[in-house]
Amino acid sequence: GDSVTQMEGPVTLSEEAFLTINCTYTATGYPSLFWYVQYPGEGLQLLLKATKADDKGSNKGFEATYRKETTSFHLEKGSVQVSDSAVYFCAPYQGGKLIFGQGTELSVKP
Amino acid sequence: KAGVTQTPRYLIKTRGQQVTLSCSPISGHRSVSWYQQTPGQGLQFLFEYFSETQRNKGNFPGRFSGRQFSNSRSEMNVSTLELGDSALYLCASSLISGRRTGELFFGEGSRLTVL
Repeated sequence: GDSVTQMEGPVTLSEEAFLTINCTYTATGYPSLFWYVQYPGEGLQLLLKATKADDKGSNKGFEATYRKETTSFHLEKGSVQVSDSAVYFCAPYQGGKLIFGQGTELSVKP
Repeated sequence: KAGVTQTPRYLIKTRGQQVTLSCSPISGHRSVSWYQQTPGQGLQFLFEYFSETQRNKGNFPGRFSGRQFSNSRSEMNVSTLELGDSALYLCASSLISGRRTGELFFGEGSRLTVL
């Protein structure tokens, strides 16, 4: 069935470091792809999305490009901040539902 | 604009009991989805409701049920609780003006502990 594989965490970075969180998926066709973020004690928030191949989603300095050939949607940010500490979830939208990866915890130290 | 509201936020039950969780979507949103979040299984889809009809259902036993009212508010019920039902239950709403999308607005969740 459909599944998502995310880079395992926790990922610990210093402020202003470069961030990459890998995400690959298996799905039927070409689903819309999403990154959601969960801050401590909160529900999930949509971070960014891409709806077709080669689309680049971006928000708050984060970017991810829909790579059809490699079925990947890696999340990147050039300079992380302490406030980016959270759990990040990659999720294709397939069959009327989001299929979440296991989440990658990011901790940014000052 | 008020976000998705879930009640109660925290609750403790014992095995064999049942529980009802409530979700009020963002005003104007007509679709409500429910997800279960556990450390072991991660985030798993339970069901989706639109215009009082269940449109989609995840792979959960029949003890898990839900419904949606005419004002789009939704409830989910878990009967005969088991220890493994301890989880954060997240409700999400979306507008559905045409094509269904994965742009969901999540509530903060109801944390259920089963003893």
